[in-house]
Amino acid sequence: GAGVSQSPSNKVTEKGKDVELRCDPISGHTALYWYRQSLGQGLEFLIYFQGNSAPDKSGLPSDRFSAERTGGSVSTLTIQRTQQEDSAVYLCASSLSTGTLPYEQYFGPGTRLTVT
Amino acid sequence: AQSVAQPEDQVNVAEGNPLTVKCTYSVSGNPYLFWYVQYPNRGLQFLLKYITGDNLVKGSYGFEAEFNKSQTSFHLKKPSALVSDSALYFCAVRDGGSYIPTFGRGTSLIVHP
Repeated sequence: GAGVSQSPSNKVTEKGKDVELRCDPISGHTALYWYRQSLGQGLEFLIYFQGNSAPDKSGLPSDRFSAERTGGSVSTLTIQRTQQEDSAVYLCASSLSTGTLPYEQYFGPGTRLTVT
Repeated sequence: AQSVAQPEDQVNVAEGNPLTVKCTYSVSGNPYLFWYVQYPNRGLQFLLKYITGDNLVKGSYGFEAEFNKSQTSFHLKKPSALVSDSALYFCAVRDGGSYIPTFGRGTSLIVHP
């Protein structure tokens, strides 16, 4: 079946511009995560959506970052007034409802963002 | 609070030799532990997980991991390495009361022919 898809695969933008990154999770997965991966820094958690509950935004690095998830499916991560330090690979992952059960995550291929 | 450490940035092993990629963790409750692999320009792929029960967990591509509660470790192992195993490996931990796993910084595994 189809996995997690992300678009665009690459994005080059000028400092100060806004960008939108899209994630299509696996159908039926109610949990969705956004991570940022910088070279040598591992995965940095950004935001978590679970069904219709309020998202956990505790990982967002600044108020320039926001995300929404429409209809419990597609998610968009928006970065306003991009800065060079925002350059990274942005990964989306989905999983079955976590609850108390530790379902594994399925990751998309990522969006490589370069801010010039 | 939960945390995970991968003490080696890089592991080098010859093809055919056994490999070990180390991971230690810290949680306040019972741990859920995961290993993922990332090939170049790809997202992470799930390898295996420990929830409860047997300390030796078997996963994809011949990998296994051993849960050691006293040493708070969850090392990834494979009896005979392949060149195609060369990739970036991530350990992750989730406290039973948390919905969000914490990932290690990753270990680059290089298998030499």
